[in-house]
Amino acid sequence: KAGVTQTPRYLIKTRGQQVTLSCSPISGHRSVSWYQQTPGQGLQFLFEYFSETQRNKGNFPGRFSGRQFSNSRSEMNVSTLELGDSALYLCASRLGASGDNEQFFGPGTRLTVL
Amino acid sequence: AQSVTQPDIHITVSEGASLELRCNYSYGATPYLFWYVQSPGQGLQLLLKYFSGDTLVQGIKGFEAEFKRSQSSFNLRKPSVHWSDAAEYFCAVGVSRGSTLGRLYFGRGTQLTVWP
Repeated sequence: KAGVTQTPRYLIKTRGQQVTLSCSPISGHRSVSWYQQTPGQGLQFLFEYFSETQRNKGNFPGRFSGRQFSNSRSEMNVSTLELGDSALYLCASRLGASGDNEQFFGPGTRLTVL
Repeated sequence: AQSVTQPDIHITVSEGASLELRCNYSYGATPYLFWYVQSPGQGLQLLLKYFSGDTLVQGIKGFEAEFKRSQSSFNLRKPSVHWSDAAEYFCAVGVSRGSTLGRLYFGRGTQLTVWP
């Protein structure tokens, strides 16, 4: 069974631009979560989608948004990029909505904002 | 609020030596506990998890962890470290109920260096 895939793997943008990252979960998984990883803040939860509905949201500004499609694929969008948005963005999928479903992570998208 | 503390930022051990990585958490109920490993430029790989039952759990790559409720700890251990174990290790807590169900709270990570 294929794992979680994220595209693109690397991205370079300039301040003020917007970016869209994509995540394809493991087949059959209905929940997708997004995390931001930076050296300064560590791993921080962005949001979770389950069956196309946002279930949880972390403490990030409204510039960060996401959505989930009927096939469970998810995208996250960051508008008006700032230098501090440079990070590794990780997507994780899990089978259901219960807290004891383990999360499987993708390889991440490395975003660099210049 | 839930939180996870990994007191050791960096640990260096010799190949073949034993290893223990510490993790303490703050959560009012019984949490779901996880250890993940991350190699440079990679995502997170699950080593092991605790949901309930036996407090000593076995994982992949010869790792084990013990849940101690009285100490709010979930320390990761390996009896004999291999050079390929060099990586960053993250402890994570998932809540069992409430509005943040499904969200993982991560520690800051412990970087493991293995000397040959």
